[in-house]
Amino acid sequence: AQKITQTQPGMFVQEKEAVTLDCTYDTSDPSYGLFWYKQPSSGEMIFLIYQGSYDQQNATEGRYSLNFQKARKSANLVISASQLGDSAMYFCAMRDIYNTDKLIFGTGTRLQVFP
Amino acid sequence: DTEVTQTPKHLVMGMTNKKSLKCEQHMGHRAMYWYKQKAKKPPELMFVYSYEKLSINESVPSRFSPECPNSSLLNLHLHALQPEDSALYLCASSQDRSLVNSPLHFGNGTRLTVT
Repeated sequence: AQKITQTQPGMFVQEKEAVTLDCTYDTSDPSYGLFWYKQPSSGEMIFLIYQGSYDQQNATEGRYSLNFQKARKSANLVISASQLGDSAMYFCAMRDIYNTDKLIFGTGTRLQVFP
Repeated sequence: DTEVTQTPKHLVMGMTNKKSLKCEQHMGHRAMYWYKQKAKKPPELMFVYSYEKLSINESVPSRFSPECPNSSLLNLHLHALQPEDSALYLCASSQDRSLVNSPLHFGNGTRLTVT
């Protein structure tokens, strides 16, 4: 069965510093997609970045990048130059070919950025 | 700005009331989803519609009744809810339910309180 694990319930980072949010996954399918979402206190789930299992390069989107280590089954999110507005809950999620309907979420990491 | 619009933003209803949650997307996506999210937990899948047909019902109680009038609209009809149904209800859409590389795009959610 697929599984997503986020081991950091909470993280603190100072403004303008970089922070890494950890995510490990488990699937027996060779074809899968990994996603990161941001959820501010307002409730909206905001799609940040996507990494495909066959992608050779690590995904990047502005200040967000993904440290994808396929052999270790990890897909850590790196946020560079943190801003106060980055304070939110961050979820790692996965879809694979056996369960394409289901976006499987991790338990989330609450990031707090302080001045 | 989110491309998936949910109304209302907040809803308070009694256990004998009937109400509906509405969701609209204009991205041409063919899959639409309802998720339920309790506080400090990841979202849980409730229903999936693909090409306007219900494809997944995650054993949701019949007091929740989904409806997909057309490819852009998704409703969730509520009747005789219980206080434990109080949660954030998130609507999402994706290009196709079978694509592992297709992210789900979520709306802002409806915060439901059942009294």
